[in-house]
Amino acid sequence: KAGVTQTPRYLIKTRGQQVTLSCSPISGHRSVSWYQQTPGQGLQFLFEYFSETQRNKGNFPGRFSGRQFSNSRSEMNVSTLELGDSALYLCASSLDGADFGPQHFGDGTRLSIL
Amino acid sequence: SQQGEEDPQALSIQEGENATMNCSYKTSINNLQWYRQNSGRGLVHLILIRSNEREKHSGRLRVTLDTSKKSSSLLITASRAADTASYFCATDVQNQGGKLIFGQGTELSVKP
Repeated sequence: KAGVTQTPRYLIKTRGQQVTLSCSPISGHRSVSWYQQTPGQGLQFLFEYFSETQRNKGNFPGRFSGRQFSNSRSEMNVSTLELGDSALYLCASSLDGADFGPQHFGDGTRLSIL
Repeated sequence: SQQGEEDPQALSIQEGENATMNCSYKTSINNLQWYRQNSGRGLVHLILIRSNEREKHSGRLRVTLDTSKKSSSLLITASRAADTASYFCATDVQNQGGKLIFGQGTELSVKP
């Protein structure tokens, strides 16, 4: 079974631009979560989707948004990029988040803001 | 906000020694999970312990959970150089379904 795939692996943007990151979960997994990882703040939860519905959202500004498609693939978008948005963005999938079990992570997208 | 506090922040040991990492959390949980992260890669799930369990084993891993003290520990026995990585605890908090709250992690270095 293929793992969680995140594209692109690396991205360089400048302040004020916007970016879209993609995540393809493991086949059959319906829950997709996104996390931001930085040296200073560690791993922080962004949002979680299940069957195309956002079930939970972290404490991030509205510039961060996401969506999930009917095939469970998910995208997250960050608008008006700031230097502080430089981070590793990780996507994780699981069968069903009702009893939040093991999460399967992709290798992330490394976003650098110049 | 971070739920979990982990200690030590960094741990350096020799191959063959045991490594113990601790995690404390603040609120009631459904389960607690441990993950490993190699540099520049995603997280790999190691083990999950539910709130009604006290101890769990998986290969060279042993996890304990003390809900009265809101703490957990991860023991890696007979460490290998390949165990060098960052280790994170993560909690599935009650009434906040659909997300994990991670600790800051312990950076483990196992020297051959």
